[in-house]
Amino acid sequence: SAVISQKPSRDICQRGTSLTIQCQVDSQVTMMFWYRQQPGQSLTLIATANQGSEATYESGFVIDKFPISRPNLTFSTLTVSNMSPEDSSIYLCSVAQAREQYFGPGTRLTVT
Amino acid sequence: SQELEQSPQSLIVQEGKNLTINCTSSKTLYGLYWYKQKYGEGLIFLMMLQKGGEEKSHEKITAKLDEKKQQSSLHITASQPSHAGIYLCGATRYRNSGGGADGLTFGKGTHLIIQP
Repeated sequence: SAVISQKPSRDICQRGTSLTIQCQVDSQVTMMFWYRQQPGQSLTLIATANQGSEATYESGFVIDKFPISRPNLTFSTLTVSNMSPEDSSIYLCSVAQAREQYFGPGTRLTVT
Repeated sequence: SQELEQSPQSLIVQEGKNLTINCTSSKTLYGLYWYKQKYGEGLIFLMMLQKGGEEKSHEKITAKLDEKKQQSSLHITASQPSHAGIYLCGATRYRNSGGGADGLTFGKGTHLIIQP
C-alpha cells in the first residue's frame, strides 16, 4: 500500500493569510485527491489532481481559493488562500492505487 | 448526487461483543470502501467491495455488499479496544470508477466506543 506524508501536520493561521499543504507519496501514482473534513463532519472532496493537467474542482470549490499543483507523480500541494475561520478543517490528500485508495495523515488547520 | 447513510451514528459495545455497522446508498454502489479513523487523524483503509454479494474479511472484521449493491455492512467479531474509532464508508460516484480512479463520497461515520 502507498505511504503518504503531509506537511505541516497542523497549523494555526491568521485570517486573510494563505497556507500551502504538501502531500508526498512513496510511489508514483496517477491520481491524487484532496479532501476537507470540517469539525464533526465527514469528508468532502475538494478536487482531483492529475499530473500534467489542471486540477478538477468539485462544486463549491474554486481554483482561486484552493489552488493545487501537481508537478510530478509523487507530489502535490494544496493552498488555502485568503483564509477565514470557516476554513478551519482537516485537509487530507489521498491516492488511488489499483482498486484501493489510501489517505495521508491529514493537516489540521485552525484559522483565528 | 449519491448519498450514503450510516447507522448507527454511534455505538457503545462491551469488549468481546460483536457489532455491525451499516452503510446504505441512495444509488447503486459501484465501489464501496470502508475506512477507520482515529480522532483527528488520517483514514486507515480496511476493505473495498465491488460485486453484489461480495464479502471480504481481515482479521476480525468482515464487510459485505448486498446483492442489489445498495447496502454494505461491516461486522466486527469479539471487539477489542483497538477497534475503537470512527468507521466511514465511501463510494465511487461513477459506474466506471471501480478501478479507484475517482474521488469518493462519504457517509457521516459511525463512532465506535469499546467498553472494557
